[in-house]
Amino acid sequence: DIQMTQSPSSLSASVGDSVTITCRSSQSIFTYLNWYQQKPGEAPKLLIYGTTSLQTGVPSRFSGSGSGTDFTLTISSLQPDDFATYFCQQSYSTPPYTFGQGTKLEIK
Amino acid sequence: QVQLQESGPGLVRPSETLSLTCTVSGGSISSLYWSWIRQSPEKGLEWIGYMFDSGTTNYNPSLKSRVTISGDTSKNQVSLKLKSLTAADTAVYYCARMSRFETTMVVDYWGQGTLVTVSS
Repeated sequence: DIQMTQSPSSLSASVGDSVTITCRSSQSIFTYLNWYQQKPGEAPKLLIYGTTSLQTGVPSRFSGSGSGTDFTLTISSLQPDDFATYFCQQSYSTPPYTFGQGTKLEIK
Repeated sequence: QVQLQESGPGLVRPSETLSLTCTVSGGSISSLYWSWIRQSPEKGLEWIGYMFDSGTTNYNPSLKSRVTISGDTSKNQVSLKLKSLTAADTAVYYCARMSRFETTMVVDYWGQGTLVTVSS
C-alpha cells in the first residue's frame, strides 16, 4: 500500500494567518492527491482534488500544490470556520485509497 | 442532492459479524462507486472497499478476507458485512460515494457516520 504522511500533526494559528500543511507519499502518485476538511462530529468534506482543483463552493483562500511524492495545502488569511482537521488522500492506481493521519489546525 | 444514511447496531460482540446498511437518496447505486470507510483514533481514516456496476467490488487487501459489500437496487441500499470482529474494528463507519473528477477518484459524498463498538 502507498503510505501517506502528513506534517505537522497539529498546528496553532491565528485568524488572518497563512498556514501550510504538507503531505508526503511513499511512492510517486503523480498528481492523484486530494484534500479533505473534517470538523468535530462531522464527516470529512472534499476541498481539493487532483492536487490543485478546488471543489465547487470551496473558498479561493484554499490552494494545493505538488507532484510526485510531495504535496502542500495552503490556507491563506485563516477564517474562524477553517479551524478543523485536514486529511490528504491518494487515489493513484488501484485501491486501497489511503489517507494521511490528519493535521489538526487549532486557534492560537 | 445526494444523501447517505447508515444504519445498524452500535454494539457488536467480538467474533461476531457486523452488518451495516446505507440508504441512498438523490442518486442511484447503479452508477458510480459506493464505498465504506471507517475512522478510529488508532488507525485514522481507512478505506474498506467499494461496489460499482451494482455488484463489482474492490476491497482493501488488509480486510478482504473478512469483508463483503453488496447492493440492493430495488431499495437503493448498499450493505457492509465484516466478520470475525475484534476490538480493533471499533470505529465510526461511513458510507460514501466515490466519483471520478477529471482523472482522480474522490469521495464526494459522505454519510453522517455510525459508531460501532466491538465489546463483550
